[in-house]
Amino acid sequence: RKEVEQDPGPFNVPEGATVAFNCTYSNSASQSFFWYRQDCRKEPKLLMSVYSSGNEDGRFTAQLNRASQYISLLIRDSKLSDSATYLCAVTLNTGFQKLVFGTGTRLLVSP
Amino acid sequence: NAGVTQTPKFQVLKTGQSMTLQCAQDMNHEYMSWYRQDPGMGLRLIHYSVGAGITDQGEVPNGYNVSRSTTEDFPLRLLSAAPSQTSVYFCASSSTPGNTIYFGEGSWLTVV
Repeated sequence: RKEVEQDPGPFNVPEGATVAFNCTYSNSASQSFFWYRQDCRKEPKLLMSVYSSGNEDGRFTAQLNRASQYISLLIRDSKLSDSATYLCAVTLNTGFQKLVFGTGTRLLVSP
Repeated sequence: NAGVTQTPKFQVLKTGQSMTLQCAQDMNHEYMSWYRQDPGMGLRLIHYSVGAGITDQGEVPNGYNVSRSTTEDFPLRLLSAAPSQTSVYFCASSSTPGNTIYFGEGSWLTVV
C-alpha cells in the first residue's frame, strides 16, 4: 500500500464549478502536509500548506482530518487556468524525515 | 535567482550505460531529494539527504546511487541503465522536509 493515495481522475468540470480532491495518508505520525500543482511537462510548485485548523487562499481551501488521516483541497469558481495535476505531499518520519507524494489528481476545466 | 539546477535536461542512454544526473541548489538547503515521475505513478522518492554526508533510501532506490559531499550538490548516478529507468527525474531541495520544497525543471531520460 502506498503511503499517500489520491484518486488520479481526471476530474472534468465546467468553468465556475466547485471541485474537491481528497488524499489519504497511512502514517499517523505524519506532521506536515502540502498541496502542489503541476502543469504539463513542468516541475511541481507549492500551492498551499495544510494546517490542522484548515486554511484558505482565495478560491482554494485546504483541510486536514487527522482522525481519518486525509487532507482535502477545495477549489471554488474553477477557472480554465486551474487545469493541472494536483499532488498531495506528506512528511514521513520513518528513518530521517522525508517528503513523499501521492500519484496526483488531474483536473480539466472546460469552457 | 538560480534555485535548483538540474543537468542534463534531456538524455538518451543505451542499456547498460552509466550516467550521472547533476543537481545543485544555491539556497543553502540541508534537505535534498531525487524523485522519478512516471505516468500514473506520481512522484516516487528515490534517495534523499538531510545534510552533507547523510543520505538515505526512498521508495525506489534500486539501480541508483547518491552521495552528498557538499551542501550544494546532490548527484544521482545510474549504475547500469535499464529501460525501466526511462522516466522524468526531479531534484528538489528545502530547508527541512516540513518546509516548502523547490524543484528543478526536470531531466527527461530515455533508456533504449
